[in-house]
Amino acid sequence: DIVMTQTPLSSPVTLGQPASISCRSSQSLVHSDGNTYLSWLHQRPGQPPRLLIYKISNRFSGVPDRFSGSGAGTDFTLKISRVEAEDVGVYYCMQVTQFPFTFGPGTKVDIK
Amino acid sequence: EVQLVESGGGLVQPGGSLRLSCAASGFTFSSYNMNWVRQSPGKGLEWVSYITSSTMYYADSVKGRFTMSRDNAKNSLYLQMNSLRDEDTAVYYCVRDRIGSFWGQGALVTVSS
Repeated sequence: DIVMTQTPLSSPVTLGQPASISCRSSQSLVHSDGNTYLSWLHQRPGQPPRLLIYKISNRFSGVPDRFSGSGAGTDFTLKISRVEAEDVGVYYCMQVTQFPFTFGPGTKVDIK
Repeated sequence: EVQLVESGGGLVQPGGSLRLSCAASGFTFSSYNMNWVRQSPGKGLEWVSYITSSTMYYADSVKGRFTMSRDNAKNSLYLQMNSLRDEDTAVYYCVRDRIGSFWGQGALVTVSS
């Protein structure tokens, strides 16, 4: 199975300041079809997760442009250019390149 | 508007069975692959199963005990859970497509004596 790790696991941030979360996979996430199926999800307390980014860097419909994804192979990053209050919660990376699909442990983002 | 509504959760004794349903609307259900993903209380996310038009994939932790199915005529997804264990206690989410574009609100399954 592909193991996903995230750093940091907790990130106190200042409103209006940038934030960054790293995700690493134990194997390359490049699929035989040439795509890299790495998604980023955001879960607010008491809510289901929602998709932010798919295939490394594609923002899902309705996701603010302050969110961006980058990376390749086994190393990926989610960046928030200016953190807003609604961005608190847990962020997960998820690989759907290979079965079983696997998730990172989550990064908890809260406001300082 | 895409909607995924899970139902069928509840309290069940270890060794028991439960069937979850997911009612889909707002998109052409038959055109999309679907997942079940679960989240134990206070824990992270765990992928459970995935279905295409004809093939199912399962996590090792549920293989042989859980069966995923779909009824495109009813725009519905199902998860039949047998031989339930304490560690199956979780909120079960119905999730659209490989990338996880839409998630339901979840159904709580509690396995306890």
